[in-house]
Amino acid sequence: KAGVTQTPRYLIKTRGQQVTLSCSPISGHRSVSWYQQTPGQGLQFLFEYFSETQRNKGNFPGRFSGRQFSNSRSEMNVSTLELGDSALYLCASSLLAGTTYEQYFGPGTRLTVT
Amino acid sequence: QKEVEQNSGPLSVPEGAIASLNCTYSDRGSQSFFWYRQYSGKSPELIMFIYSNGDKEDGRFTAQLNKASQYVSLLIRDSQPSDSATYLCAVYSGAGSYQLTFGKGTKLSVIP
Repeated sequence: KAGVTQTPRYLIKTRGQQVTLSCSPISGHRSVSWYQQTPGQGLQFLFEYFSETQRNKGNFPGRFSGRQFSNSRSEMNVSTLELGDSALYLCASSLLAGTTYEQYFGPGTRLTVT
Repeated sequence: QKEVEQNSGPLSVPEGAIASLNCTYSDRGSQSFFWYRQYSGKSPELIMFIYSNGDKEDGRFTAQLNKASQYVSLLIRDSQPSDSATYLCAVYSGAGSYQLTFGKGTKLSVIP
């Protein structure tokens, strides 16, 4: 079974630009969630999508948005980039079946804003 | 503001010992609790998921949840050097729109 894939793996952008990151979940997983990881703030939840609908959302400004397609692939977009958006962006796909929960993270996209 | 607190460590234990990692949370309405392991430079991996009071065992790992006292712990039996990593506690809570809140992690070092 193929793992969670994220593209691109590395990205350098300029302040004020926008960026789109992509995540392909494990086959059969309909839930995709996004996270931001920085040395200072640690791992923070951005949002979760299930069946093309945003199900949950963390405490991030509206510049951070996402969507999910019918094949469960997901994208997140950050507009008007700020220096503080430099981080590792992780996505994870998950499946809850009865009392069993499985979740796998992708390798992440390292975003640097200059 | 929902908070999840962990001792940052480092926590050092000898090989073969039991490592005990603790996590407290502020939101009494929290629903589900997770433990992740993250090796340096790698993505987190889910190692335990628990939602009922009591213990849940999976191999050498045992998660213990006490909702009344608002803490969740992770025990690692027969600790191995390969268990050396940062362990993140996360709590799923909210009303209407749930979110996952992470602790800052505890760095565990298992000494051979």
